[in-house]
Amino acid sequence: TQLLEQSPQFLSIQEGENLTVYCNSSSVFSSLQWYRQEPGEGPVLLVTVVTGGEVKKLKRLTFQFGDARKDSSLHITAAQPGDTGLYLCAGGRNAGNMLTFGGGTRLMVKP
Amino acid sequence: DAGVIQSPRHEVTEMGQEVTLRCKPISGHNSLFWYRQTMMRGLELLIYFNNNVPIDDSGMPEDRFSAKMPNASFSTLKIQPSEPRDSAVYFCASSFQAGAYEQYFGPGTRLTVT
Repeated sequence: TQLLEQSPQFLSIQEGENLTVYCNSSSVFSSLQWYRQEPGEGPVLLVTVVTGGEVKKLKRLTFQFGDARKDSSLHITAAQPGDTGLYLCAGGRNAGNMLTFGGGTRLMVKP
Repeated sequence: DAGVIQSPRHEVTEMGQEVTLRCKPISGHNSLFWYRQTMMRGLELLIYFNNNVPIDDSGMPEDRFSAKMPNASFSTLKIQPSEPRDSAVYFCASSFQAGAYEQYFGPGTRLTVT
């Protein structure tokens, strides 16, 4: 069974701080996606990375796919209260269209 | 464009009652997924369909759960009889069966079984 482990599980920081969350696996994925979920809503896709070593930026968010395509990180610069939510990583494999979801990182950014 | 539509948004029912959750995927998507989310277990895949055909239902908890997809634009998840431990948020997601298989989620149905 492939597992995606996210760390930390919970993170509470002050507005303006930087943070990094991690998504690790012993399995290789063909793609890795990051979602953000706000209370009372469904997860919303933020980004997809498909190439080992790939880096994508979305405003203050930087996503990186590990060289071996087994891990990924999400770095947020100068966090804002609007970044508060549950961040989920999900790995896909070429053999099918199921995604394996990590347990999530629950982020709270205090003003 | 309309996203994934789920109904109802909230459902409160008594133990033993039948519950039916509904989902309309994004037009043109040919894969549909049902998930359950709880604080304890996170996001769990229950079942998914490709081209209206169930592919993997290994995540369905037990025989009380059933799912159907009679056509490309509609799916149901039924729980009969419901139990308090079924209380959770149920999400439907759809994707196009190609590329990176990005999934698009509906707003969820919050189910409370008393």
